[in-house]
Amino acid sequence: QKEVEQNSGPLSVPEGAIASLNCTYSDRGSQSFFWYRQYSGKSPELIMSIYSNGDKEDGRFTAQLNKASQYVSLLIRDSQPSDSATYLCAVTGGGSYIPTFGRGTSLIVHP
Amino acid sequence: ETGVTQSPTHLIKTRGQQVTLRCSSQSGHNTVSWYQQALGQGPQFIFQYYREEENGRGNFPPRFSGLQFPNYSSELNVNALELDDSALYLCASSLAGLKSGEQYFGPGTRLTVT
Repeated sequence: QKEVEQNSGPLSVPEGAIASLNCTYSDRGSQSFFWYRQYSGKSPELIMSIYSNGDKEDGRFTAQLNKASQYVSLLIRDSQPSDSATYLCAVTGGGSYIPTFGRGTSLIVHP
Repeated sequence: ETGVTQSPTHLIKTRGQQVTLRCSSQSGHNTVSWYQQALGQGPQFIFQYYREEENGRGNFPPRFSGLQFPNYSSELNVNALELDDSALYLCASSLAGLKSGEQYFGPGTRLTVT
């Protein structure tokens, strides 16, 4: 059984700070990794995908993957109150292309 | 490009009844997945359809069933509703294979079972 673990939070950061969200996974065969953002009462929205070790940057977002340590993280630079949401980590691989989701980390960015 | 749509947005049913939820996939996507999301939890995978065939199933009982149509739209049927079935039901479309983790979600159907 694949497991994807996230700290449920909430993670509270001041506006303008860097928010760091972490995710660990149990299956060493995992190949693809995704971050979704979910605002309260809304559906998840894909914000980042990462397929190889290292960093991937997209605007204020950076995804970091370390397969040896089985973790993937999401950094949000210059955090804004509009970034306040739940961030879901999802993982595929190990013989399946169906993503397994973590329970999400709640992020609160306060002015 | 048309996004993923779901209907209805909200539904109230009584225990023991049956429900059908509908989903239209994003243009160009041939794979549809259904998820159940309880409050404070991540989406739980129900099943996935690819080219009208069930392509994977999560840990849900047989009273959860589905269909995919030639235009890639899909239905989720739940029989003999239980109180614990109350949740947000999400449909997501994607391409098949390596890109299937890049899921595009519809707005969801909020099901309440009383």
